Amino acid sequence: EDQVTQSPEALRLQEGESSSLNCSYTVSGLRGLFWYRQDPGKGPEFLFTLYSAGEEKEKERLKATLTKKESFLHITAPKPEDSATYLCAVYQTGANNLFFGTGTRLTVIP
Amino acid sequence: GAVVSQHPSRVICKSGTSVKIECRSLDFQATTMFWYRQFPKQSLMLMATSNEGSKATYEQGVEKDKFLINHASLTLSTLTVTSAHPEDSSFYICSASTSGAREQYFGPGTRLTVT
Repeated sequence: EDQVTQSPEALRLQEGESSSLNCSYTVSGLRGLFWYRQDPGKGPEFLFTLYSAGEEKEKERLKATLTKKESFLHITAPKPEDSATYLCAVYQTGANNLFFGTGTRLTVIP
Repeated sequence: GAVVSQHPSRVICKSGTSVKIECRSLDFQATTMFWYRQFPKQSLMLMATSNEGSKATYEQGVEKDKFLINHASLTLSTLTVTSAHPEDSSFYICSASTSGAREQYFGPGTRLTVT
């Protein structure tokens, strides 16, 4: 069964404390893995798309990486404004929609 | 660029009434629009996909007679929740795309509360 699992469900970090969020997937024919940020009461905001194993993308304090089974969103020296829910989603062969994970709620404490 | 708006941002309605939510692509023409529902602390669940000028395709378990979707133009799609019940209370999010599911731009969402 195709699945997208994110861990941890929730993460509390001190400001400046680097960490990683995980998105593991068991889908056939991955055509793209997406990371989004979602603030409370808002729609998802696009962060990255990764297409193949070994690919990495960076944006400010965030870096996304992809293997054949999982993706990591690394956050370096986070700030309180990085607090949000981070969602990953996959796009697979034969599908006409994105399949979302349940997200990781990140809280960065000053 | 690629801005998607939703209106209203919040709506409260009484049980049994209908409510319409609008989704607009402001600076591009969206051939496809997607409607999602998100319950608290849960992820986005796709409800339906609509292409301009054609009938929407609903996901399994979503009642098409209850959730009416219209995509009459390349910049506007509407979701009407008919005969709303408290269990329909949720956060409804639309997205718009010019190239299918892979490239979606999300709206800010609409919080529906049915009393």
